[in-house]
Amino acid sequence: DQQVKQNSPSLSVQEGRISILNCDYTNSMFDYFLWYKKYPAEGPTFLISISSIKDKNEDGRFTVFLNKSAKHLSLHIVPSQPGDSAVYFCAARPDYGGATNKLIFGTGTLLAVQP
Amino acid sequence: EAQVTQNPRYLITVTGKKLTVTCSQNMNHEYMSWYRQDPGLGLRQIYYSMNVEVTDKGDVPEGYKVSRKEKRNFPLILESPSPNQTSLYFCASSYLPIPGGTEAFFGQGTRLTVV
Repeated sequence: DQQVKQNSPSLSVQEGRISILNCDYTNSMFDYFLWYKKYPAEGPTFLISISSIKDKNEDGRFTVFLNKSAKHLSLHIVPSQPGDSAVYFCAARPDYGGATNKLIFGTGTLLAVQP
Repeated sequence: EAQVTQNPRYLITVTGKKLTVTCSQNMNHEYMSWYRQDPGLGLRQIYYSMNVEVTDKGDVPEGYKVSRKEKRNFPLILESPSPNQTSLYFCASSYLPIPGGTEAFFGQGTRLTVV
């Protein structure tokens, strides 16, 4: 059962426009959410995160929004650049009350930014 | 330079021949984990370790073993590989515990093919 879902396998946007990547989750015990970016032949790299007590976190061109009631988060990239073309993974950390950094990942969305 | 190093990057092996994929990090992280990435399934955790001599199963541990004898190293062992273990494997590390920023650092991946 996929607890973290990214329903769009791919997304194509024009350079300079906004990219919106979506992620839905089912487990209300998640306390932290992260986005990772992955280029081909490389490992995932951390992009941005948000705690479950917040609804927005911004870092430069990247903003993550969290809607807890809808169990939905989104990553906005503005403006999109060709170098943003990569696979984006949404991940969530369950709060089991102990010291663990277990992350549950979504299936990823391939973003293509067209020049 | 802070990094997680996996070896080998690519490996083709035959069914039943024991193999080890090494992982080493130079950031003095307590928490290390192994993931496998398969099409349509995202990244799934195999095993994790919260410190030396402390390991536990992730979501898909069957057919794998790990050990954590030193803080920096976390090898993944396939005692008798089978074709369904053909996958892209990632090692990751992070500080523990992390109530806030919990980003994990990933290695570059090991592409394993079992024939």
